[in-house]
Amino acid sequence: TQLLEQSPQFLSIQEGENLTVYCNSSSVFSSLQWYRQEPGEGPVLLVTVVTGGEVKKLKRLTFQFGDARKDSSLHITAAQPGDTGLYLCAGAPRNYQLIWGAGTKLIIKP
Amino acid sequence: DVKVTQSSRYLVKRTGEKVFLECVQDMDHENMFWYRQDPGLGLRLIYFSYDVKMKEKGDIPEGYSVSREKKERFSLILESASTNQTSMYLCASSYVQGPLSGYTFGSGTRLTVV
Repeated sequence: TQLLEQSPQFLSIQEGENLTVYCNSSSVFSSLQWYRQEPGEGPVLLVTVVTGGEVKKLKRLTFQFGDARKDSSLHITAAQPGDTGLYLCAGAPRNYQLIWGAGTKLIIKP
Repeated sequence: DVKVTQSSRYLVKRTGEKVFLECVQDMDHENMFWYRQDPGLGLRLIYFSYDVKMKEKGDIPEGYSVSREKKERFSLILESASTNQTSMYLCASSYVQGPLSGYTFGSGTRLTVV
């Protein structure tokens, strides 16, 4: 069974701080996606990474796919209250079903 | 923008009732999915469909069935609701067979079975 483990499960920090959340697996994925889910809404796709070692930036968010395509990280610089939400990673094995992590609940305090 | 619309945001049903959750997407996506989301467990796939009248079981299909009579509509049916089916239900769609295009989710239906 392929699993994606996200850490930490919960993170509460002050506005302006930096943070990193992780998504790890013992399995190789052909691609990996990050989603953000706000309370009462469905997840929204932020980014897809495909190549081992790939780094993608989305404003203050930096996403990295591990060289071996087994792990990924999301780094947020100068966090803002609008970054608050549940961050989910999802990996794509060879078939077309996504494998989901349990999520990191992020709270940014003003 | 692609839109996935779920018919109800909140539902309260009694144990033993038959429950219908409706999902409609407006961008001609081939693939549609039903997930349930519970705290600490992430998203768990109930059923998915990659074409009209086609359906495949996901990881937790027991107690559920689905219907896809039209490409844009994917319905989840709880045959006889039980309290352990209290959850957030999320519908999603995607454009191609592979997941690279990403999934578009509806806003979810929070179902409470009493």
